[in-house]
Amino acid sequence: DTGVSQDPRHKITKRGQNVTFRCDPISEHNRLYWYRQTLGQGPEFLTYFQNEAQLEKSRLLSDRFSAERPKGSFSTLEIQRTEQGDSAMYLCASSAGSYNSPLHFGNGTRLTVT
Amino acid sequence: KQEVTQIPAALSVPEGENLVLNCSFTDSAIYNLQWFRQDPGKGLTSLLLIQSSQREQTSGRLNASLDKSSGRSTLYIAASQPGDSATYLCAVESQKLVFGQGTRLTINP
Repeated sequence: DTGVSQDPRHKITKRGQNVTFRCDPISEHNRLYWYRQTLGQGPEFLTYFQNEAQLEKSRLLSDRFSAERPKGSFSTLEIQRTEQGDSAMYLCASSAGSYNSPLHFGNGTRLTVT
Repeated sequence: KQEVTQIPAALSVPEGENLVLNCSFTDSAIYNLQWFRQDPGKGLTSLLLIQSSQREQTSGRLNASLDKSSGRSTLYIAASQPGDSATYLCAVESQKLVFGQGTRLTINP
C-alpha cells in the first residue's frame, strides 16, 4: 500500500489552456474525493465517487470542471479554459467507504495559471 | 449549511508546553469529526477520528474530545515538540467532509 498518489505534483499553465490531473487511490478504497485548497484556507469539497459513480458535485465545480473515475479505480480531474482563479492545490483523498472510515489524502497537485 | 471554525488561526508556544486547539461547528447532525495535520506543501495526514457517539479519542500525546450538542471539539497536545509544528485542521462529516480553516502551530525550541 503506497498511499494515495497524485500526478503531476506541480502544473504551470497559461490562461485558457486545459489541464488534467490524475489520482490513484489506495487499492480497494471505493470512495474517492477531490478537494481544492487555496493558501491559508481549509480544503473545499469539489466532488466524490463511490466506485465509478459520481455521487455529489459542489457548486464550486463549474461546467469547466469535469471528473471521471472509469472502472472505479483511478480518477481524473480536468479543467477546461483555465482562469487565474483556478490556481490552487487540488487534493485527492480515498476511503474504505463507510462514514466512519478516515480519509487518506495524496500530496496534491499545485496548479498555477499565469 | 455546515460551517466549521477553528480558533486560534495561529499559535506559537515554547517546546514542552501542553496546548489546546479549538474547533466549532454549526450543525450537530454529523457522522464523525476528524483532526488532520498538514505540513507545508503537503497533503493531509489523519490524526484522530471521533464517531458521533463517542466523546474522545487518544493517540499517543494527542487527545481529541467531541461535544456534539454544543458543536465543539478540542485537540489537546501534550508535551509539545518542534516536530509538532504544522497546520492542524478539523473536519466534520455529514454528507461530505467540511473543513475548518486550520490552526497554524509553531513550537519553538
